[in-house]
Amino acid sequence: QSVLTQPPSVSGAPGQRVTISCTGSSSNIGAGFDVHWYQQLPGTAPKLLIYVNTNRPSGVPDRFSGSKSGTSASLAITGLQAEDEADYYCQSYDSSLSGAVFGGGTKLTVL
Amino acid sequence: QLQLQESGPGLVKPPETLSLTCTVSGGSISSRSYYWGWIRQPPGKGLEWIGSIYYSGTTYYNLSLKSRVTISVDTSKNQFSLKLNSVTAADTAVYFCARILVGGTYWYFDLWGRGTLVTVSS
Repeated sequence: QSVLTQPPSVSGAPGQRVTISCTGSSSNIGAGFDVHWYQQLPGTAPKLLIYVNTNRPSGVPDRFSGSKSGTSASLAITGLQAEDEADYYCQSYDSSLSGAVFGGGTKLTVL
Repeated sequence: QLQLQESGPGLVKPPETLSLTCTVSGGSISSRSYYWGWIRQPPGKGLEWIGSIYYSGTTYYNLSLKSRVTISVDTSKNQFSLKLNSVTAADTAVYFCARILVGGTYWYFDLWGRGTLVTVSS
């Protein structure tokens, strides 16, 4: 059972908008620690997608955006494309565990 | 461009010790801006942080693995290593090494190695 909770799966048609939630607690997201998102394409290593809640690394399309409020965060993907089909993980820091924690991952299916 | 590459045995017998090395190329592991870490992913499952190290040798470990894990750094070789002892089948996973950015309210993995599958089986 992961410290951060994500829906196991989401889906959407090409061109649509989807969101993936990430729910934490008072020892991680709610304590003010930032949330980061990773995209893992099948058979590859995770890739940093969003850092410090809302920031995109160079090369990540602006179709991807992040937000954080209270004990939760969200990843939004607009203009869905077939190549967005992947697993998405949120990650933060937990003060009780004194280390990095991940969500269980969300599988995005592009219909 | 900085790259990370994991290396080590792909098969380990229980209850022996799993040993992996991550070689950093295209940059220095002694950079004061970064930490370095290990993350694993069992087949078909999610990501689990194992532990992290600074070039000075300061370490941080996942509490659930702390009793079995040692992470070390060799700045002369630009490498850091993972040792996980008393392994069982539950330790079968793809093991990734990664570079970590740490700040007052953040800790995130900005560059990853490609990962190496380690199977624990007799």
